Amino acid sequence: KQEVTQIPAALSVPEGENLVLNCSFTDSAIYNLQWFRQDPGKGLTSLLLIQSSQREQTSGRLNASLDKSSGRSTLYIAASQPGDSATYLCAVIQGAQKLVFGQGTRLTINP
Amino acid sequence: DARVTQTPRHKVTEMGQEVTMRCQPILGHNTVFWYRQTMMQGLELLAYFRNRAPLDDSGMPKDRFSAEMPDATLATLKIQPSEPRDSAVYFCASGLVGVYEQYFGPGTRLTVT
Repeated sequence: KQEVTQIPAALSVPEGENLVLNCSFTDSAIYNLQWFRQDPGKGLTSLLLIQSSQREQTSGRLNASLDKSSGRSTLYIAASQPGDSATYLCAVIQGAQKLVFGQGTRLTINP
Repeated sequence: DARVTQTPRHKVTEMGQEVTMRCQPILGHNTVFWYRQTMMQGLELLAYFRNRAPLDDSGMPKDRFSAEMPDATLATLKIQPSEPRDSAVYFCASGLVGVYEQYFGPGTRLTVT
């Protein structure tokens, strides 16, 4: 059974810092990996989707990498801003488009 | 701006009552997913529909939960009878077959007392 782990569970950093969020998964037989953002009381917003044949994806200040062989993905956020404060979830996509989620990293950016 | 909509956004009910949650997928999307989010378990897939047909509901407690898609614009998740352990946020997501990105609704926060 696929298990997805995110470390750390919570992270607090001052504004302007670059930071890395980690995601690991136990079964490398995945189709894709997706990073989401969740604001309190809200749904999930897709940030980046990395296909299994890709090594990384970039969108603005966000860069996500994928290493299937080691079962790891990282989300790099450059020049963090208070508006980046949210919970970040990674999910691996297996057969039939099924998402298996990690527990998330709660990120706080302090002004 | 195409979005997944869910109703109600909040529901408080007493144990034993029937609860029905509704989801309107993005127009043209042909896959619909129901997820449940709790502090303890995180986000879990409950059921998955493709072209209105249920493909996988292995994550759903069969004795009390049921999921249907009466038409392409409406998906429902029903709990009967509800129990306090069903308290959670229930999300609906939609997408297209063969396209892995899923679009999530705002969720229904259910509290069973």
